Amino acid sequence: NAGVTQTPKFRILKIGQSMTLQCTQDMNHNYMYWYRQDPGMGLKLIYYSVGAGITDKGEVPNGYNVSRSTTEDFPLRLELAAPSQTSVYFCATVVGFDTEAFFGQGTRLTVV
Amino acid sequence: KQEVTQIPAALSVPEGENLVLNCSFTDSAIYNLQWFRQDPGKGLTSLLLIQSSQREQTSGRLNASLDKSSGRSTLYIAASQPGDSATYLCAVRILYSGNTPLVFGKGTRLSVIA
Repeated sequence: NAGVTQTPKFRILKIGQSMTLQCTQDMNHNYMYWYRQDPGMGLKLIYYSVGAGITDKGEVPNGYNVSRSTTEDFPLRLELAAPSQTSVYFCATVVGFDTEAFFGQGTRLTVV
Repeated sequence: KQEVTQIPAALSVPEGENLVLNCSFTDSAIYNLQWFRQDPGKGLTSLLLIQSSQREQTSGRLNASLDKSSGRSTLYIAASQPGDSATYLCAVRILYSGNTPLVFGKGTRLSVIA
């Protein structure tokens, strides 16, 4: 039982490049979230999903896209990388609003 | 808009000391509050979850309290150890556009000196 798995762990992108951050969970949870964490700041919500085929924007969605074709996978897409997207990205999942959230180990992204 | 504040931002204590970390939130309409631990370069590990109807939760040397009406929570760590050194994050679960995401504070960075 791996929980929440994020790949890659580290990545350096050039400005304008694109990439997909992968998130997979084996907990059969419907709710999934993407957060970003900048130094000295709390986590900010980028996108979330309440189940397969349903996604919606969070607090800081600009420059990102998501899809949710299966319960297990919730990839985050960066189309035109910018230095402002340098951050650590965390994927999280939860079974319901009254249960604890579980986080992946994060993807550290640097855009140069 | 819900805002979560954690004080202090950093704390350094000698080993063996009991300590309290503080978390405050501006809107008392929360479902629950969760404390996390984050080690440098690592993900978040859940420590304690307190439902809005509860007053406290305990796990080992950790005790978290919740006063929803005043918008406060505390995390009490007894007999601190160097292994407790980490950043501690507080997060509240809110209702947002039909979903219930977590809203985070910026964390308290704890150093326990041997």
